[in-house]
Amino acid sequence: QVQLEESGPGLMQPSETLSLTCTVSGFSLTSNGVGWVRQPLGKGLVWMGTIWAGGSTNYNSAVQSRLSISRDTSKSQVFLKMNSLQPEDTGTYYCARHRGIGTTTYYYVMDAWGQGASVTVSS
Amino acid sequence: DIVMTQSPTSMSISVGDRVTMNCKASQNVGSNVDWYQQKTGQSPKLLIYKASNRYTGVPDRFTGSGSGTDFTFTISNMQAEDLAVYYCMQSNSYPTFGSGTKLEIK
Repeated sequence: QVQLEESGPGLMQPSETLSLTCTVSGFSLTSNGVGWVRQPLGKGLVWMGTIWAGGSTNYNSAVQSRLSISRDTSKSQVFLKMNSLQPEDTGTYYCARHRGIGTTTYYYVMDAWGQGASVTVSS
Repeated sequence: DIVMTQSPTSMSISVGDRVTMNCKASQNVGSNVDWYQQKTGQSPKLLIYKASNRYTGVPDRFTGSGSGTDFTFTISNMQAEDLAVYYCMQSNSYPTFGSGTKLEIK
């Protein structure tokens, strides 16, 4: 059974660095990507970035300078680090499996999601 | 950035209704559009991928269509459990989501 679970601090101060962990089970990080998606309270979804099966990363240009995504395949964990936090970074952070569908060419979908980690940035 | 303009913002519907919502991309995204359902307090759930393909286990009352810049998502026979916010997302370049369509009971 595919599962993802986010963990991390709920309350942060402005200018601090956010560290979130996504622990996965039921699939391999060397065969699937994992993406992070943020949702401000009561608002829509914003893709933050993805670490792919081969270890390469892509980031949303709006946060690229502040964001780093990495992983530890031996522990089945993916990490998000974002520095210089501001109140507008407040929201729920989801990790999601980025899975390829197809045979010769792949179409990538976010087909399994964690329950989300709530992060509040406030002084 | 590719902007996905989703309409309407909300809809008041009755059980059994046919529901249609739209998503317009700011540039050609081919068929690289997915649709997600998000119920209150839950994480998003993939329903449709690559514009018109129903994901595993998704009931056939959910359908998607379109290509290029214009996409449509339809629920053919609205059920009470379908109350949710629905988002389109393009993956032609780095993923961007529409602002969502919220379905409410009339």
